[in-house]
Amino acid sequence: EIVMTQSPATLSVSPGERATLSCWASQSVSSNLAWYQQKPGQAPRLLIYGASTRATGIPARFSGSGSGTEFTLTISSLQSEDFAVYYCQQYNNWPPITFGPGTKVDIK
Amino acid sequence: EVHLVESGGVVVQPGGSLRLSCVASGFTFDDYAMHWVRQAPGKGLEWVSFINWDGGSTYYADSVKGRFTISRDNSKNSLYLQMNSLRTEDTALYYCAKAGRTGTAVHWGQGTLVTVSS
Repeated sequence: EIVMTQSPATLSVSPGERATLSCWASQSVSSNLAWYQQKPGQAPRLLIYGASTRATGIPARFSGSGSGTEFTLTISSLQSEDFAVYYCQQYNNWPPITFGPGTKVDIK
Repeated sequence: EVHLVESGGVVVQPGGSLRLSCVASGFTFDDYAMHWVRQAPGKGLEWVSFINWDGGSTYYADSVKGRFTISRDNSKNSLYLQMNSLRTEDTALYYCAKAGRTGTAVHWGQGTLVTVSS
């Protein structure tokens, strides 16, 4: 099973600032990596797939990069609606599909 | 617009059984694979199960293998999760999700809460 890790656990950012979230896989997942956003009381929403492709309707301020075992989600200028928990997920070698533990982005 | 509505979550005793349902609308249901993903209270996401478009291929997390069964009825645009031998650690919000071409979960329902407690 591929184990996903994320850092930091919590990221405190001021509105308008840039946020950089990291995700690592215990072995290579190529570019088969997705990012999800989950706001309190809501279902997760797919943001990025293929490590860097934005899902339909996702604003351009969200960008993903990386391949192999190291990945980054960048939010270029945080808006109030971006404060949430972000999960990475690998789908290169499954089952099982595995998620990271999440990074909570909160207001500084 | 894609719409997924889960139901069937209740409080059940350890060792009990439950069947969750998910009704889909807004897309051609039998063109897509589906997932179940769960989230324990205050915890992260855990993938549970996958079924392909016609039910011919199914996969499970080790934590539920042999106890849970995923199925679908394309004539009813419905996805199911039969849950047997329930344990306290199965307590979670269970989401159904429309699969992408690969292993992504493109659209999610709002979830149904299963509580396993005596």
